[in-house]
Amino acid sequence: EVQLVQSGAEVKKPGESLRISCKGSGYRFTNYWISWVRQMPGKGLEWMGRIDPSDSYTNYSPSFQGHVSISVDKSISTAFLHWSSLKASDTAMYYCARRGSGSSYYFDYWGQGTLVTVSS
Amino acid sequence: SYELTQPPSVSVSPGQTASITCFGDKLGDKYAFWYQQKPGQSPVLVIYQDSKRPSGIPERFSGSNSGNTATLTISGTQAMDEADYYCQAWDSSTYYVFGSGTKVTVL
Repeated sequence: EVQLVQSGAEVKKPGESLRISCKGSGYRFTNYWISWVRQMPGKGLEWMGRIDPSDSYTNYSPSFQGHVSISVDKSISTAFLHWSSLKASDTAMYYCARRGSGSSYYFDYWGQGTLVTVSS
Repeated sequence: SYELTQPPSVSVSPGQTASITCFGDKLGDKYAFWYQQKPGQSPVLVIYQDSKRPSGIPERFSGSNSGNTATLTISGTQAMDEADYYCQAWDSSTYYVFGSGTKVTVL
């Protein structure tokens, strides 16, 4: 069974750094891109960026480029989303999602979400 | 950048048909995908490649895509279908793009 299991909720202060994780299981981790998707409170889904676990190649949405970074540790089948300096506006639910099979670009499995709260 | 536009809300009576539209420039030249998200839950893929249903998705969910508009249709809508629905497409310059989302209310 394919699963993406994310790390737990975080409460941070503005300016602090943070790394959240997404562990894949039940499939060959290096065969499928992992993306991160933001959902601010009461709002829609926003694609942030993706990583190819086989070579760590990344693409970012212009809206998030330079504010977050995505990395991967193949040895533990885990992708990460990292902030070096959080803002209050980063308060949101963050999902990781696996690219679907085949040549199309969509998401077939999603993590359970990690709630990040940034408040002074 | 590429954008997808959805109506904010759609209301439907139980047992009736709900149609949710997604508008994008030449969207019919791309594949459209649809996700269902219930309150407090992660999104779930309900339609991929315009009209295909993943395993476990009821037959009452169907999709089409032509011209500038993709449509998700829920036939015989049930109370359990009340959720937010998002369309999604891929654009070579914008990568993954989501629509703004449509809240389906079953009255």
